[in-house]
Order: sequence, then structure tokens, then C-alpha cells
Amino acid sequence: EAEVAQSPRYKITEKSQAVAFWCDPISGHATLYWYRQILGQGPELLVQFQDESVVDDSQLPKDRFSAERLKGVDSTLKIQPAELGDSAMYLCASSRTVNNEKLFFGSGTQLSVL
Amino acid sequence: AQSVTQPDIHITVSEGASLELRCNYSYGATPYLFWYVQSPGQGLQLLLKYFSGDTLVQGIKGFEAEFKRSQSSFNLRKPSVHWSDAAEYFCAVGAQSGGYQKVTFGTGTKLQVIP
Repeated sequence: EAEVAQSPRYKITEKSQAVAFWCDPISGHATLYWYRQILGQGPELLVQFQDESVVDDSQLPKDRFSAERLKGVDSTLKIQPAELGDSAMYLCASSRTVNNEKLFFGSGTQLSVL
Repeated sequence: AQSVTQPDIHITVSEGASLELRCNYSYGATPYLFWYVQSPGQGLQLLLKYFSGDTLVQGIKGFEAEFKRSQSSFNLRKPSVHWSDAAEYFCAVGAQSGGYQKVTFGTGTKLQVIP
């Protein structure tokens, strides 16, 4: 079965540094999501793409976070500068259409900011 | 805005015992409801979903859930738990917003299975 690919699997960085995460959704999936999951909590939506367009970034801290999906396929989430409170699991998910049906999740990137 | 409440942070059951995980949602219209499971350090996997129709839905791994509109609940059940079911379970609600659907997750219930 096709999977959502994410890299890196783990990332350790110092505060004030820049970090970037990459996601490759399942082929043909138009909708891509970035979620942040703090330890002990549920996933929180950061940004949602429909093809290459952002349809929801209301919870994205835009002063330090940015996300792009230039060709409507893979996506990059960037944090600059990283802060201690950014330590979390960053999950990417995709679905076939904008009416979610089922979300397919990647294994995530575990970020630790020191 | 929609929201999900999972009142039980942690549940322990014996292997072979029955299981019920509680989920309550808040949404003004008919919601789309989901249960996902997450193993440690992994992404989430869909167990089952409710969109419409029969209020008792069957999922993978022997799980089922019942939608009760009057109680705004969507509880997950399994008649006999296996040690491999130990994981964290998330209830989620999908709601239409601006032409697309936004999925909001609860805080999760961690399931421990003892021999």
C-alpha cells in the first residue's frame, strides 16, 4: 500500500536555528496537511493545502513558520528561528480530495529543540 | 467551531476483556466522525469512520463504534482486547468550512493491556 513519506525521522536543533521538514504525499492525493502533535496531546492542524494552494493556515505561527507545496505534490514546512516550545512531532497527512474521507499519515518528524 | 472531548486520558484493561473508549463531539450540523490509532513514535491509522447511514460502524482490527446524535457521542468498542491493541486512540470530527473539510482531533486515550 502506498505511504506518505516524511523526512527526516528525527531532528535535533538548537534554539534560534532554522529547520525544515519534507513530506511526499500518496500519489494523486490533492489535499495535504501538516499537523503538530505535542507529547500527550492530539494532533493540531497547522496548514492544509488543496493542490498548491493554502486553504487553512489559521493556526500556523506565521512569524516563524512557513509551508509550501510549489507543484502541488511534495511539501516543505520550515521553522525559523526554532524555539524550545516547538519541540513536538510534526505529522504530514494526505487525502484524495478536499472532502477528507480518510487521512493517510506519515510516520512523522520528531523535533527536539535544545 | 467543532471540538472533540475524550474524557479518559488513560485506560487499563486485561487481555480478553471488553473495551469502550468514550468520545463526545461538539458541532452544529451532522459531523463526520473518525477513530484513529497511533502506536508509539508512529503516525495515525484510521480504524473506522461515520459519515451517514447506519449508526453502528465496523472498522478494522475488530473495532466498532456507535454514533448517538442525542448524546453527541461516538464511542469506540471492542469485545475482546488483544495485547497488540495497546496504543493511543484518537477520536476526530470533520466539519465543512469554507468549501473544504477540517478535521479536529481529541486529546487521545492511551490504552494499556495487561496479561
